Amino acid sequence: DAGVIQSPRHEVTEMGQEVTLRCKPISGHDYLFWYRQTMMRGLELLIYFNNNVPIDDSGMPEDRFSAKMPNASFSTLKIQPSEPRDSAVYFCASSFFAYEQFFGPGTRLTVL
Amino acid sequence: QQQVKQSPQSLIVQKGGIPIINCAYENTAFDYFPWYQQFPGKGPALLIAIRPDVSEKKEGRFTISFNKSAKQFSLHIMDSQPGDSATYFCAAYNFNKFYFGSGTKLNVKP
Repeated sequence: DAGVIQSPRHEVTEMGQEVTLRCKPISGHDYLFWYRQTMMRGLELLIYFNNNVPIDDSGMPEDRFSAKMPNASFSTLKIQPSEPRDSAVYFCASSFFAYEQFFGPGTRLTVL
Repeated sequence: QQQVKQSPQSLIVQKGGIPIINCAYENTAFDYFPWYQQFPGKGPALLIAIRPDVSEKKEGRFTISFNKSAKQFSLHIMDSQPGDSATYFCAAYNFNKFYFGSGTKLNVKP
């Protein structure tokens, strides 16, 4: 199994631009989680899906952030418009049991 | 409000030493306590986990000690190796959500 796949691995963009991060979960997993990691705040859960349905988005920082899961093998996290304070590493994780999460390699986002 | 408090922030030990990382929590509803290991440029990887009805769990050189009454748990790495140098995160789980500690950067010197 290839594990959780995230793209791009690195993204550099300018303030105000739209950013889309992508995730392919492990086949057969029905939970998908999006996390953000920064030095200041550590690992934070942004949103999670169960069977493609968003269950808890209380960690999404503002309306500029949105996430979708159109099918069991694909999810996106979109930031529009992006701001420098959004610079972080964004992780996607998937699981069959919600407590056994497997993390992807992350996307390092830099907003100039 | 930080749900899980982790210490120390960083730790340096010599090869063969036994680093100990501690975590404390408040919410007694947590029912699963994993430790994750993260190498630079990689995502966190599950290392070992424990449930609150068990006081200790060992997997290879890694041991979790759990004190339910004190609401504390710790990770011990026996016979540490330079390859164990990484950042370690504790976490607590309930209702499909993890709450992570702030991380401990471990450096094992040869």
